[in-house]
Amino acid sequence: RKEVEQDPGPFNVPEGATVAFNCTYSNSASQSFFWYRQDCRKEPKLLMSVYSSGNEDGRFTAQLNRASQYISLLIRDSKLSDSATYLCVVNVPLYNQGGKLIFGQGTELSVKP
Amino acid sequence: DGGITQSPKYLFRKEGQNVTLSCEQNLNHDAMYWYRQDPGQGLRLIYYSQIVNDFQKGDIAEGYSVSREKKESFPLTVTSAQKNPTAFYLCASNNGPGSGNTIYFGEGSWLTVV
Repeated sequence: RKEVEQDPGPFNVPEGATVAFNCTYSNSASQSFFWYRQDCRKEPKLLMSVYSSGNEDGRFTAQLNRASQYISLLIRDSKLSDSATYLCVVNVPLYNQGGKLIFGQGTELSVKP
Repeated sequence: DGGITQSPKYLFRKEGQNVTLSCEQNLNHDAMYWYRQDPGQGLRLIYYSQIVNDFQKGDIAEGYSVSREKKESFPLTVTSAQKNPTAFYLCASNNGPGSGNTIYFGEGSWLTVV
């Protein structure tokens, strides 16, 4: 089982749609969780951190379910500019070394007019 | 402006050559990282450094080497021992792998073997 696994893509949705991405992680001791956005041939950029209580930033909502070991990202009212690959990132603790960031393989989103 | 600068953005290498990718940050971050990304794949960790003059192998270190002589700089050398080096290379930094702090990336370097 991969340490971090995301929904396979691509997701093709019309403008205005609501789309949800899921990501599962295998290490129950993981402490920090993030969603990154990566545009084609560009570097990943932080979209949002994910907190236990869930958090919202405009049209984006992130949720963490520790019991089931998954995080989710919900995008409401999709825009053309939301088209990108969304990466799930988990900070896995390492004995005596702090932690290590593990990246999922990414889920591609394509929003169509 | 604070950030991470990678160079060159595009690089072509002949088989058997070593090449070095530069990474400089002025964010005063302690930790720096090198990742490799292949098409349709996630990021894989090559090497990381938590402090000056110290670095650790990541998941795919074979065929690569690094140095960390200055806090600001973490160059990556792709050696001739790396059998499939064509990829997108990303340098990143943050305040430490255990801090949970977010990680910031440079714009990446595209390496192609010709």
